[in-house]
Amino acid sequence: SQQGEEDPQALSIQEGENATMNCSYKTSINNLQWYRQNSGRGLVHLILIRSNEREKHSGRLRVTLDTSKKSSSLLITASRAADTASYFCAHNSGGYQKVTFGTGTKLQVIP
Amino acid sequence: DTAVSQTPKYLVTQMGNDKSIKCEQNLGHDTMYWYKQDSKKFLKIMFSYNNKELIINETVPNRFSPKSPDKAHLNLHINSLELGDSAVYFCASSAPGFGGGETQYFGPGTRLLVL
Repeated sequence: SQQGEEDPQALSIQEGENATMNCSYKTSINNLQWYRQNSGRGLVHLILIRSNEREKHSGRLRVTLDTSKKSSSLLITASRAADTASYFCAHNSGGYQKVTFGTGTKLQVIP
Repeated sequence: DTAVSQTPKYLVTQMGNDKSIKCEQNLGHDTMYWYKQDSKKFLKIMFSYNNKELIINETVPNRFSPKSPDKAHLNLHINSLELGDSAVYFCASSAPGFGGGETQYFGPGTRLLVL
């Protein structure tokens, strides 16, 4: 399967702490994306990083990409209770418009 | 206005029935998708249409038939529903971009329960 894998599967932290989630994939990629899914809702796009980029920031989010290791990480700084959600990485491997999602990390931020 | 909308939001039906899920996007995107999310939250692509043409057709039983009457709509018809079809089905759309596979905009999902 080309599905990416994420770890940890679940993460529980206190509000104000940083949360780091990792994603690994198996093929070469054009880009890698991170999404958030709140319980019972659809996925919301957070950030896209292209294969020629190594790091990207958006507000409290920091994404890194290491194409030599076929891995990416998502760092959420100063977490808030509202960050409680599942987070998915997704990669595009060149198949026309096809994006393959990882297994997801369930984050719980305790107030 | 909702960018990607799906109807119905919930669908409870008996095994063997035929049902349809509708999806509409008002983002002006050329590409639309259907994804299935199972009970373990694994999200897998089923189909993708670009400008009304089928471009991705993953290993999906032929009981599932997508239809795109225009580039703003992508419907999913399911024949002879089985218990294993119970899942959340998400519609999504994206704009073309460098290398393809750009940001996906998801609908709220349709929760299908087959009894």
